Amino acid sequence: AQTVTQSQPEMSVQEAETVTLSCTYDTSENNYYLFWYKQPPSRQMILVIRQEAYKQQNATENRFSVNFQKAAKSFSLKISDSQLGDTAMYFCAFLLISGYALNFGKGTSLLVTP
Amino acid sequence: DAGVIQSPRHEVTEMGQEVTLRCKPISGHDYLFWYRQTMMRGLELLIYFNNNVPIDDSGMPEDRFSAKMPNASFSTLKIQPSEPRDSAVYFCASRRTGSEAFFGQGTRLTVV
Repeated sequence: AQTVTQSQPEMSVQEAETVTLSCTYDTSENNYYLFWYKQPPSRQMILVIRQEAYKQQNATENRFSVNFQKAAKSFSLKISDSQLGDTAMYFCAFLLISGYALNFGKGTSLLVTP
Repeated sequence: DAGVIQSPRHEVTEMGQEVTLRCKPISGHDYLFWYRQTMMRGLELLIYFNNNVPIDDSGMPEDRFSAKMPNASFSTLKIQPSEPRDSAVYFCASRRTGSEAFFGQGTRLTVV
């Protein structure tokens, strides 16, 4: 079974600063996807960014980027120029290309302060 | 597309009552998932369907929980009888092969 570990239960960052959220995973497979989801207080789960394991280039979506280290099985999320609206729970998730359901980490609660 | 639609948004019920949660997946998606979210256990996968067929229900906590998908556009999660420990947010999600999962807004269930 694939496991996803987020070792930072809570983090805090000041507005306009940069913050990095950590995620590691465990798998013996080679073909998979990784995702970061954001869950604001509204509780809606929103996809932030997606990475295919076969792509060496790190995914980027505006202020959000990832550092994907396949050998180390690490998938961190960097948020640049943090905004108050980034305050949310962030979940890392893993999906085998041949699989069906996402495996989620426990989440990191991010607070952006003025 | 309207996204994944769940109803109701909130449900408060008394212990012992039957509760039915509803989900309409995104059209064209062939996978449907039911997750439960609690503070203690995070996001737990309860069951998922592929082309309306239940594939894995090993996450369903007890026989009190059941799920159906009678057609490609509708699924239900039923709890009978409900207990206070079932209080949680229940999410429905759907995806097509090779894509990420799209989530509904969840149903917050409170059993008193």
